[in-house]
Amino acid sequence: ETGVTQTPRHLVMGMTNKKSLKCEQHLGHNAMYWYKQSAKKPLELMFVYNFKEQTENNSVPSRFSPECPNSSHLFLHLHTLQPEDSALYLCASSQDRTLFGEEQYFGPGTRLTVT
Amino acid sequence: QKEVEQNSGPLSVPEGAIASLNCTYSDRGSQSFFWYRQYSGKSPELIMFIYSNGDKEDGRFTAQLNKASQYVSLLIRDSQPSDSATYLCAVHTGGGNKLTFGTGTQLKVEL
Repeated sequence: ETGVTQTPRHLVMGMTNKKSLKCEQHLGHNAMYWYKQSAKKPLELMFVYNFKEQTENNSVPSRFSPECPNSSHLFLHLHTLQPEDSALYLCASSQDRTLFGEEQYFGPGTRLTVT
Repeated sequence: QKEVEQNSGPLSVPEGAIASLNCTYSDRGSQSFFWYRQYSGKSPELIMFIYSNGDKEDGRFTAQLNKASQYVSLLIRDSQPSDSATYLCAVHTGGGNKLTFGTGTQLKVEL
């Protein structure tokens, strides 16, 4: 495996379900991110982890719960979601070597549909 | 005011022409600027990044940055149908590694 991988690629869940999204990066990076992409809206940053520590929570509802056990793996736990949470969820990673922003590499995304 | 603004398009150019994509940003302290390409149903793919005022060229792509005017642009020379995609501008704002994305410009290269 190379780059950033995400599983599952597609997920349909009911509002009462609990599911998890998984992201793994094979780039040796130290920062990982969750983004939400909805139609006609800019990419929306949800969470940032640097060296396994959460450094950004962009006012995300508590029904989204991130977990970062190590610098290579990132999870997004989902529970009691709403239909408006249906979107493409993207994971990204970066080296985290500069204070001035650096390029991020994206995984293929998970297309989530909440019914 | 949006932090990062792009014309949503679609921008249509004939094959072989130069496509010019523009982006303006509001944070005067921004230091790093990125262009991503996103094909329909796919994830964003990094094309280029630029930190300094002026031009940066990579193959058919040229990024241009003007910090005084707070805009960054992407030129695509000899446009090909395979360049048809949505182009996202991303700007580093504030501290840490946070990137703020524009809504993207849809480019259509027509035969």
